[in-house]
Amino acid sequence: EVQLVESGGGWVQPGGSLRLSCAASGFTFSSYALHWVRQAPGKGLESVSAISSNGGSTYYANSVKDRFIISRDNSKNTLYLQMGSLRTEDMAVYYCAKVGESFYFDYWGQGTLVTVSS
Amino acid sequence: QSALTQPRSVSGSPGQSVTISCTGTSSDVGGYNYVSWYQQHPGKAPKFMIYDVSKRPSGVPDRFSGSKSGNTASLTISGLQAEDEADYYCTSYAGSNTWVFGGGTKLTVL
Repeated sequence: EVQLVESGGGWVQPGGSLRLSCAASGFTFSSYALHWVRQAPGKGLESVSAISSNGGSTYYANSVKDRFIISRDNSKNTLYLQMGSLRTEDMAVYYCAKVGESFYFDYWGQGTLVTVSS
Repeated sequence: QSALTQPRSVSGSPGQSVTISCTGTSSDVGGYNYVSWYQQHPGKAPKFMIYDVSKRPSGVPDRFSGSKSGNTASLTISGLQAEDEADYYCTSYAGSNTWVFGGGTKLTVL
């Protein structure tokens, strides 16, 4: 059974940093691209960042470029999102999602809440 | 990337059919056959319902179907059931390792 379990969310002041993790199991981690998707309170889903299966290719939404860094450790089956210079508009539930055989997200974690406020 | 356009809400009675549209551009929906749909109940993670425009993953009832014409994709739910009440999101691959989501549609089963 595929499982994605996010952790690392919490409260942080504007300008602060946080690192999210997503522990994966139930599939060959190193064979699939992964994605971070966020959802602000009462809002829709937003693609934040993506990383290829070997980590060699990454993508960032314009809203987080130069502030967030996505990475993965295929030896630990874990995906990361290092978030810096956090803003109130970054407050959201952050989901990690596995990219399927083509361009879709077939499994999602339960999400971790990031609160940015003073 | 601009978000794909979905109606804010749709509704239908049990047993009826509803269709949710998802309009993009030739750079996303119209340019690729990589539209997917997700169902999200309140407080839950999204659930994968349709991929590659019209394919259903195993376990998704055949009451759910997808299609595309030009820059607009659609999700049709037939034989509406109470448990179908949820938010629905479309997404499309947009090239160069980028994806764009729709704003979401709230489905109410009357």
